[in-house]
Amino acid sequence: DSGVTQTPKHLITATGQRVTLRCSPRSGDLSVYWYQQSLDQGLQFLIQYYNGEERAKGNILERFSAQQFPDLHSELNLSSLELGDSALYFCASSPRPWGGVNTEAFFGQGTRLTVV
Amino acid sequence: KNEVEQSPQNLTAQEGEFITINCSYSVGISALHWLQQHPGGGIVSLFMLSSGKKKHGRLIATINIQEKHSSLHITASHPRDSAVYICAAADYGGSQGNLIFGKGTKLSVKP
Repeated sequence: DSGVTQTPKHLITATGQRVTLRCSPRSGDLSVYWYQQSLDQGLQFLIQYYNGEERAKGNILERFSAQQFPDLHSELNLSSLELGDSALYFCASSPRPWGGVNTEAFFGQGTRLTVV
Repeated sequence: KNEVEQSPQNLTAQEGEFITINCSYSVGISALHWLQQHPGGGIVSLFMLSSGKKKHGRLIATINIQEKHSSLHITASHPRDSAVYICAAADYGGSQGNLIFGKGTKLSVKP
């Protein structure tokens, strides 16, 4: 168990709908990262938060948004869903932004989103 | 060209074989991670390396900072090692401060 909790584990929804994915980081971790992994694709960085503030943005669509709350949990909001948004969405956390020595990566189990 | 390249993309081995997965990167890094993703989808961190070599059970990871290359070795492979192995470079101080992932190596170990 990595200590990173993602809910829900599975989500099936229709095109055009909006969903919210939730991530609770490991206790004490200030950095939260969101990644998208489409079928047979690598992990794509979406967005990073550090202690409540957006720190970096990757290939995140305008239809997607995220936030990190004072208790450090984070939510990823996906709206106007399209079939192509079907993917595994991972959250990861670290005590501080990656790159620091001894900063390990802890991933949640992912949310599998299916848009029909 | 990807900043982090892995080889091979796919690997099939017989149980008991010694396995090597390679990772080359073109960015300056402060650490390199090896991750394992099982068919169920979850990602597990195996190693984080900034220099030298680390060992955990049958898994060994090495990194050569000068050559910008890392390897993951599995000794006495077992069918339960079947998974996708992903290397990821931690680009500290980069514009994104996040992990740059390789595309993964899909390992299948046959009994």
